[in-house]
Amino acid sequence: DTGVSQDPRHKITKRGQNVTFRCDPISEHNRLYWYRQTLGQGPEFLTYFQNEAQLEKSRLLSDRFSAERPKGSFSTLEIQRTEQGDSAMYLCASSMGGANTEAFFGQGTRLTVV
Amino acid sequence: ELKVEQNPLFLSMQEGKNYTIYCNYSTTSDRLYWYRQDPGKSLESLFVLLSNGAVKQEGRLMASLDTKARLSTLHITAAVHDLSATYFCAVVLNDMRFGAGTRLTVKP
Repeated sequence: DTGVSQDPRHKITKRGQNVTFRCDPISEHNRLYWYRQTLGQGPEFLTYFQNEAQLEKSRLLSDRFSAERPKGSFSTLEIQRTEQGDSAMYLCASSMGGANTEAFFGQGTRLTVV
Repeated sequence: ELKVEQNPLFLSMQEGKNYTIYCNYSTTSDRLYWYRQDPGKSLESLFVLLSNGAVKQEGRLMASLDTKARLSTLHITAAVHDLSATYFCAVVLNDMRFGAGTRLTVKP
């Protein structure tokens, strides 16, 4: 499968624990986006990378959230000290070149904080 | 800050009918995407619109972009049940910002 891959698909964690999600973009795609989606809402932008550089972060991304893309390939999104309000689907997308090109989404990681 | 508004948010249609979903946005952009999302699934790319006046069609769906009016439309022709899903528009500046989505239900 050469699409965008996210791991894990589902994560249940206790409040206060740290979690980390991984996204593997389509090979040679240099743009990578993270979004959060709650039930019945549209995807909310969190952050995006151009190669290894994190170019923009949403105000939604509190200091408990951090994202990395160390070698310009896969990316990780870490949430520290999870809260119940963090429960959502976390989506990753990638595209090639500039913002003109189509972005493809992974299947998402569904996080439940109990 | 870029705002993207879709309407209607909910749409219930009879099979065979036509309807249009609207996507308005607040900041100049000449790039807009339409996505489809089925329940519990990720987003599937439908259309990429890259210039003013762009029109694209795939099956019973047709999308257009008017950058001067900051408006895109997704027109559904002779709806069928398989089109039931949530449809999102996404406006591109440096990143992509999504509308709230239109939840479409097509009834027999």
